[in-house]
Amino acid sequence: DQQVKQNSPSLSVQEGRISILNCDYTNSMFDYFLWYKKYPAEGPTFLISISSIKDKNEDGRFTVFLNKSAKHLSLHIVPSQPGDSAVYFCAASGAGSYQLTFGKGTKLSVIP
Amino acid sequence: ETGVTQTPRHLVMGMTNKKSLKCEQHLGHNAMYWYKQSAKKPLELMFVYSLEERVENNSVPSRFSPECPNSSHLFLHLHTLQPEDSALYLCASSQGARTSTDTQYFGPGTRLTVL
Repeated sequence: DQQVKQNSPSLSVQEGRISILNCDYTNSMFDYFLWYKKYPAEGPTFLISISSIKDKNEDGRFTVFLNKSAKHLSLHIVPSQPGDSAVYFCAASGAGSYQLTFGKGTKLSVIP
Repeated sequence: ETGVTQTPRHLVMGMTNKKSLKCEQHLGHNAMYWYKQSAKKPLELMFVYSLEERVENNSVPSRFSPECPNSSHLFLHLHTLQPEDSALYLCASSQGARTSTDTQYFGPGTRLTVL
């Protein structure tokens, strides 16, 4: 049973527009959420995170929103650039945990 | 070398072979991880080591045997694998082993094919 779900396997966006990647989770014990980005033939790299005490965290072009009541988070990329084309993984963990639980990923293609 | 390196990058082995995957981190971290990513499945945590002691073992079959001789090196010893073990094996490291405070840095992975 998947505890972290990314229901869109792929997303295409025009350069300069907003990309919105979505993630849902089922485990109410999760209190820390992360997004990782992965290019082909490379390992995932950390992008941005958010604690459950917040509902928004921003870092440059990247913003993560958390809706705890809906158990939903989203990653917004504005403006999207061709170099953002990659697979984006949502991950979650519980308090004091060693373990990250990942979603299956969403492949973002930014079209020039 | 910088970051987290993994060797080999690709490995093909038969079910009766014994092989090892190697991971090395050059970041001065104290925790290291093995993950498995099978086709169309999420990354799954296999093992966690903190200060060279195993602190997590997610019900991984005994045909996978980890070894952490020091905080910079992590091995995954493989023997009598099954074709369904074919996957991308990723190593990661972090300063500590708490996910909320310690960002995990990943290596590029070893693509394993079991024939």
